[in-house]
This record gives sequence, C-alpha cells and structure tokens, in this order.
Amino acid sequence: GAGVSQSPSNKVTEKGKDVELRCDPISGHTALYWYRQSLGQGLEFLIYFQGNSAPDKSGLPSDRFSAERTGGSVSTLTIQRTQQEDSAVYLCASSLRTAGEKLFFGSGTQLSVL
Amino acid sequence: AQSVTQLDSQVPVFEEAPVELRCNYSSSVSVYLFWYVQYPNQGLQLLLKYLSGSTLVKGINGFEAEFNKSQTSFHLRKPSVHISDTAEYFCAPRDGGTALIFGKGTTLSVSS
Repeated sequence: GAGVSQSPSNKVTEKGKDVELRCDPISGHTALYWYRQSLGQGLEFLIYFQGNSAPDKSGLPSDRFSAERTGGSVSTLTIQRTQQEDSAVYLCASSLRTAGEKLFFGSGTQLSVL
Repeated sequence: AQSVTQLDSQVPVFEEAPVELRCNYSSSVSVYLFWYVQYPNQGLQLLLKYLSGSTLVKGINGFEAEFNKSQTSFHLRKPSVHISDTAEYFCAPRDGGTALIFGKGTTLSVSS
C-alpha cells in the first residue's frame, strides 16, 4: 500500500480482555516500530523489529505486552488482560533499513479500556 | 541506548515572534538527530534531520536546528512563527541501528 496501515482505528474493550492491534508497513521497509502515545507521556517506545534480527523489546512495559512480525511484513501487538492504564493511541511506524532514514507513521489505533 | 530531554513541555508565543525548542541528548560517539512534528489531528512527520556534515540543518516550513556536539544539544528554531506552526514537536536521537527514542514532546502554541 501507499502508507503504513493500522487496524482497527478504534478499539473499545473491557478490563481484563485481550486485544490485538495490527500494523501493515510500507512494502520493502525492513524496520518496524511500535510506540504508545498518551497525554503527558509523549511517544513511548515499545518494540523495534529490524529485518531478521532479534527484536528490541526493551520498551515493553510489562509481560502482558508482546508483539510479533510475520514474514518480515505485518506485525501484531497483543495486550493481554488489559488494564485501564493501557488506554492510549498505539502507533506503528516503518522505515528502510539504514539508521538515517525517516519513519513513516500509521494513523494509530485508539485503545480505550473500560 | 540514547536518552533525550526536551526541556520545555509547553511554549506559548505570539505570531511572528521567534521561537526555540530545546533538546538535549545523552552523549555518544556518533548520533543521528531528528525532529518530528505532529499537527493537530494529524500523524507524525519528519521536520528535519542531522546525519553528518554541516551542523546547521534546515527543514520544512522554515525551521532549522543546530547540532552542538560539546553541549549535546539539537535545538529547533524559527525566526518568525505562524499560527499554522501550532503543533507538538518531538526530538529524537539515534545511535546507529538502535531504536529511535523520542522525547516527551514540546507543545508550541502560536496565538495572534
């Protein structure tokens, strides 16, 4: 596609339920990031995939959060047993391999945990 | 891994005034530096970047930033702001192939 695609755009769930957020990066982009954006917290790094290398998971806030990237393309971020503090906009971004390349961001998934 | 500090969470200015948004990062042998902007109800986009060479880099919409290695800073400036510059601005340093970490952002509010 022309840009980074995220789905769903909005997700409302009940506390304790699991959710899956999907990201479809730009074709040919080997780097993929997940960030979380909430008021007063800026852009919080969650996880980074680069090609076939082991992902950098250092930003995941707890073991309830996990992500995978299948076939070097689509990525899924899973949040288990959601909590109200997980409510935020979850952003995905992709870029070409080199470190100086700019990131292209998706429109995000607004997650609301009731 | 890099760490980054945006020293001002909010910067209110009047139209046509100059503005500086401050950013400091942790020291590194080599670092790439980025500023991203998020306009109201829009996605993030790249404003400018420093990879190497001239320490003064120019970006879109009349913004520029200066890389200062001794002070580990990459402050963003514009000599005369417009209402349309109202947005949130994020500084992001990067070591080589590591993850891109963003600062907490600075909200620039331009009023007439």
